[in-house]
Amino acid sequence: GQNIDQPTEMTATEGAIVQINCTYQTSGFNGLFWYQQHAGEAPTFLSYNVLDGLEEKGRFSSFLSRSKGYSYLLLKELQMKDSASYLCAVRDRNRDDKIIFGKGTRLHILP
Amino acid sequence: GAVVSQHPSWVICKSGTSVKIECRSLDFQATTMFWYRQFPKQSLMLMATSNEGSKATYEQGVEKDKFLINHASLTLSTLTVTSAHPEDSSFYICSATNHRESYEQYFGPGTRLTVT
Repeated sequence: GQNIDQPTEMTATEGAIVQINCTYQTSGFNGLFWYQQHAGEAPTFLSYNVLDGLEEKGRFSSFLSRSKGYSYLLLKELQMKDSASYLCAVRDRNRDDKIIFGKGTRLHILP
Repeated sequence: GAVVSQHPSWVICKSGTSVKIECRSLDFQATTMFWYRQFPKQSLMLMATSNEGSKATYEQGVEKDKFLINHASLTLSTLTVTSAHPEDSSFYICSATNHRESYEQYFGPGTRLTVT
């Protein structure tokens, strides 16, 4: 089976830094994705990790530890437009490489 | 990046009728398309995986006779919700990928279905 856990909601202040954690359990790990989704819209791709370590892309960074089944998404210099849901998703080679999503973390940015 | 479109973007239908939703990859060939359903404030739930030229594989709990999926070409997949009921009202999102070229899934903009 597959289990992906992330906090339901988080709140942060404009200009600050926030870290969204994700833990997963899967038998055939083959990559972890982070997506951003604004209400009523489709998800947009943020990052992909398949090896351990930190991937940095502008204000967003994503970290993966395969041995711990753990990832985080780090958002710096928060802007109001970053208010959205952030979805952690895992690809499982034992399920035909399907990408399975966690429940998402709703991030609220306060001015 | 690659573009995936969905049509219609929203639809309202009466109980008992059928609705067809189209998913198209506009600038790449999609070897695989996925159909997701999302209820308000919940995450995406994978319904089925559609490979071009073969039958779709459905996730546990998804009725294949109710949610008909056809992937007739490398750029088009359709989802037909048959005999729709109010509980089928949801946001349906497709995604497409070409495994030979990329690991990434490209999402369509979604279709909001309301069954009255």
